[in-house]
Formats: sequence, structure tokens, C-alpha cells
Amino acid sequence: GAVVSQHPSWVICKSGTSVKIECRSLDFQATTMFWYRQFPKQSLMLMATSNEGSKATYEQGVEKDKFLINHASLTLSTLTVTSAHPEDSSFYICSARSPGGEKYNEQFFGPGTRLTVL
Amino acid sequence: AQKITQTQPGMFVQEKEAVTLDCTYDTSDPSYGLFWYKQPSSGEMIFLIYQGSYDQQNATEGRYSLNFQKARKSANLVISASQLGDSAMYFCAMREGPGSARQLTFGSGTQLTVLP
Repeated sequence: GAVVSQHPSWVICKSGTSVKIECRSLDFQATTMFWYRQFPKQSLMLMATSNEGSKATYEQGVEKDKFLINHASLTLSTLTVTSAHPEDSSFYICSARSPGGEKYNEQFFGPGTRLTVL
Repeated sequence: AQKITQTQPGMFVQEKEAVTLDCTYDTSDPSYGLFWYKQPSSGEMIFLIYQGSYDQQNATEGRYSLNFQKARKSANLVISASQLGDSAMYFCAMREGPGSARQLTFGSGTQLTVLP
């Protein structure tokens, strides 16, 4: 089946630094990737949709200058949390869409990245 | 209005028994898809089952079945013969409109605990 990886799986950083999270589709080309954020004991909230070769579409309330998304190739999307603060600590999950996927499993989720900002 | 509502924050079930996790949804789009995902403590999202709005029959995948009641806008997940490994968070999600380029909207989740 389709595999999506995320790197790193967890990261601890100091307040004010920037953190980059990578999302890769390992065995398929992903024209669309989604980035979600999940706070403890809460649901997944969509942050942005990224399409290869174009600018990401951000959900209302998500600061695009703080959460930079780059989908430069069909297998890689990156999320950079700039000037991270403790309130950015969360679980970040990406999902990737394969144009050739089966209708009901067209989005494949990565294992997530746990970010802790001190 | 909430698009996906899961009214059970937590559920307990005895091992080997069946359990139903509730999900109601709200959409005016005639074409939509409903998903159930399992999220263990490790955090990964595991796809369980899918129901399309035009599907005539309820979806089944092994021990998982989806009780789709379109008029009531409900898509409850039924897990038969619960196992200890089923203990996890379960999310109901919806994709509105045709095609996979649209994002999923998730419910608040139900924490299922299977008791030995």
C-alpha cells in the first residue's frame, strides 16, 4: 500500500527557533498534501492544503507567515514552524493524496511529528 | 454548526463483545464520503472503513461495519468481537464533494477502552 513518512517523528526546540517537518510519499506521487494539527485529547484540525508547484491554501486562522509550507516536488512537502513558541507545541500530521488511489483510501496519513517548544 | 459530531467522548466494552460508536454528520452536498479512523496512542491514523453517499449497501471490513442511515445523517461504526488491541481513539471524518482533492473534516473522537 501507499506509504507516507514524516521526519522527524519528534522534536524539542527552544522558543524563537524554527523547525522544519518533512512529509514524503515513498511509493507514489502526491499531487496534494494536507497538513493537520492535533492538540492533546483533541481532534485533527486542517491547517493547510498544498498542491505541488503552487502556493498552499491555508485555513482560516492559520498564520501563513508562521507556518510555511513548501510542496516543491510530487513526493515531498515541508512545514516550517517559524519562531516557534510553546503554544505551537502540538502533534502535526500530514496526509497525501495519490491520483491513482482507490476511491475510499485516497488519503494516506503520515505517522505524525510531535513538536515540543520549550 | 458542527459538520461531524461524535457524542461519546469515552466508551468501555468488554472483550469479545460488540460496540457501536456514534457519528452524525451535516452537509448539503449530495456527494460525500464518510470515513472512520483509529488512532492508537502512537498517534498514527489507521484507516478502517469508508462509506460513499451513493453506496446502497453498508460498508463492511472484517470486524468493522458501518451502519449508514442517510436520512438520519448518521454513520455509526460497529466493532464486533472486541479485542484488547482495539483500545484507541476513533475518529469519524467526512469529505464533501466528489474527488479526493478535498480535505477531511474530523469529529472530536471517541476513546474506546476494551476491558479484559
